Amino acid sequence: DADVTQTPRNRITKTGKRIMLECSQTKGHDRMYWYRQDPGLGLQLIYYSFDVKDINKGEISDGYSVSRQAQAKFSLSLESAIPNQTALYFCATSEGTVNQPQHFGDGTRLSIL
Amino acid sequence: RKEVEQDPGPFNVPEGATVAFNCTYSNSASQSFFWYRQDCRKEPKLLMSVYSSGNEDGRFTAQLNRASQYISLLIRDSKLSDSATYLCAVNPYTDKLIFGTGTRLQVFP
Repeated sequence: DADVTQTPRNRITKTGKRIMLECSQTKGHDRMYWYRQDPGLGLQLIYYSFDVKDINKGEISDGYSVSRQAQAKFSLSLESAIPNQTALYFCATSEGTVNQPQHFGDGTRLSIL
Repeated sequence: RKEVEQDPGPFNVPEGATVAFNCTYSNSASQSFFWYRQDCRKEPKLLMSVYSSGNEDGRFTAQLNRASQYISLLIRDSKLSDSATYLCAVNPYTDKLIFGTGTRLQVFP
């Protein structure tokens, strides 16, 4: 089983719908991250969390919200989806110390029509 | 100037060739550095960390040049299966990584 699991893997939906992407991990890591990746572009950080009570905005948080339900779960919501949020979304985790790498989930391919 | 920059490529090399990529970073206070491999539309996978003294893992060698603020990845004896996009990641702060946009490698027979 994957250490970092994202659901759903693929989603097609319509403009204006509310969407939730879920991420769960069995690595026991404190830190969790949400990124989006667009073709030809790098990974852009949306939100990150260092523990259940700590949520931080990344570089492109507008239009997104998150919830850290437990150490192992970090959800990303699009309250009212728009077509330019069509992208590949990744969840990642890392240990709670500096200088540690991040480990990624399989990704969610999201298309908004 | 971007915080982390990579040549997008593609680098097209024959099997068995040696190829190297660089990744430059702008924040001289950066403390940790990593190389990731990403296959088309898949998740980035950690390839190796980059240590100050340089480090090697099989056919892969990573180097850090603090004076010129870049890291490098050398791949020897390239295999077809090495074809992928290689992302560098730099930690210029204590709380997050900044990723490059990746260098695409295509190894041909």
